[in-house]
Amino acid sequence: GENVEQHPSTLSVQEGDSAVIKCTYSDSASNYFPWYKQELGKRPQLIIDIRSNVGEKKDQRIAVTLNKTAKHFSLHITETQPEDSAVYFCHTDKLIFGTGTRLQVFP
Amino acid sequence: EAQVTQNPRYLITVTGKKLTVTCSQNMNHEYMSWYRQDPGLGLRQIYYSMNVEVTDKGDVPEGYKVSRKEKRNFPLILESPSPNQTSLYFCASSLNTRSPLHFGNGTRLTVT
Repeated sequence: GENVEQHPSTLSVQEGDSAVIKCTYSDSASNYFPWYKQELGKRPQLIIDIRSNVGEKKDQRIAVTLNKTAKHFSLHITETQPEDSAVYFCHTDKLIFGTGTRLQVFP
Repeated sequence: EAQVTQNPRYLITVTGKKLTVTCSQNMNHEYMSWYRQDPGLGLRQIYYSMNVEVTDKGDVPEGYKVSRKEKRNFPLILESPSPNQTSLYFCASSLNTRSPLHFGNGTRLTVT
């Protein structure tokens, strides 16, 4: 079955720096790659997603890139702010989630 | 308002006492699923349903049951809860497996 690996498990950055989180998947037939943000005590919520017919998608400070050949996709957050502190999850269209990345942004 | 409604938000129970966590969505979504979230283990899928009367096991189905008699409802049943089922549970729904998941607010279950 599908295997999704997410790295790193924790990430600490200074406010204003960039953060990158990567997910690697195993099923080459996967076509949908979303990212979710889960703030403390709250439910996961979609922040950005990408489909296999594009290599990159951007929404203000957030972007997702996809490398179908290497079977990985990454979340990029630029100019990080303290409110970006949360746990971030990826999954593929097999609905198997990565184990999450705890991002801490220090002022 | 489009939403997934889970109840209860908090539940404390004792070993062996049957319980049901309800989940309802008002978006006419075909796909619904249950996850449990434990520290360091991320979101693990318990059961999912692609449509009415169709349910399948996820990664951690032992000790759980589900049913999908109507499109909007997908209850999670613990026939005989045990302490290792203490966890945070999320219900989620989506149009299909290639669409964004909408999560409920979660149910924090404690089994003593």
